Amino acid sequence: DADVTQTPRNRITKTGKRIMLECSQTKGHDRMYWYRQDPGLGLRLIYYSFDVKDINKGEISDGYSVSRQAQAKFSLSLESAIPNQTALYFCATSDPPGQSNTGELFFGEGSRLTVL
Amino acid sequence: AQSVTQLGSHVSVSEGALVLLRCNYSSSVPPYLFWYVQYPNQGLQLLLKYTSAATLVKGINGFEAEFKKSETSFHLTKPSAHMSDAAEYFCAVTRSGSARQLTFGSGTQLTVLP
Repeated sequence: DADVTQTPRNRITKTGKRIMLECSQTKGHDRMYWYRQDPGLGLRLIYYSFDVKDINKGEISDGYSVSRQAQAKFSLSLESAIPNQTALYFCATSDPPGQSNTGELFFGEGSRLTVL
Repeated sequence: AQSVTQLGSHVSVSEGALVLLRCNYSSSVPPYLFWYVQYPNQGLQLLLKYTSAATLVKGINGFEAEFKKSETSFHLTKPSAHMSDAAEYFCAVTRSGSARQLTFGSGTQLTVLP
């Protein structure tokens, strides 16, 4: 089983619908992230969480919200989806930076969202 | 502020030829630098990382990268391309080793021709 699991892997929805993407991890990491990938733009950070009580906005948080239900679970919601939110979404985890941990991210396999 | 520029959104090489993927960074403090690889329908996985130790960094699958401060570069190389190397490659930079401050490049799609 994958260390970082995302569901659903693919989703097609309509404009205005509420969508939730879920992420769970078995790596025991405190830090979790949601990224969006668009062709030619690389990955951009949407939200991140350093523990259950800590939620922070990233570079492109408008139109998104998150919930950290437990150390191992971090969900991304689109309250009212719009077509320009069509993208590949990645969840990632990391350990805090330290002597042996230097900010490396561990990614899920991605959730492809299409908003019509 | 920090940024990453990957020169060439698409690179094609013949099987057995040298692979060179270019990455230039800007950072106001000594950076930590990463190369990630994304195979089709998969998430990103770490290829190698520079964390201020040796300037020549060796990674998985025969890849390596050299940190050149004077050129603000961290180019990825592999002496001999294999068909299985076909993927998208991302360079990323952070300061202080914090993943939340990672900035990714726009990616380079590597095609390996038979």
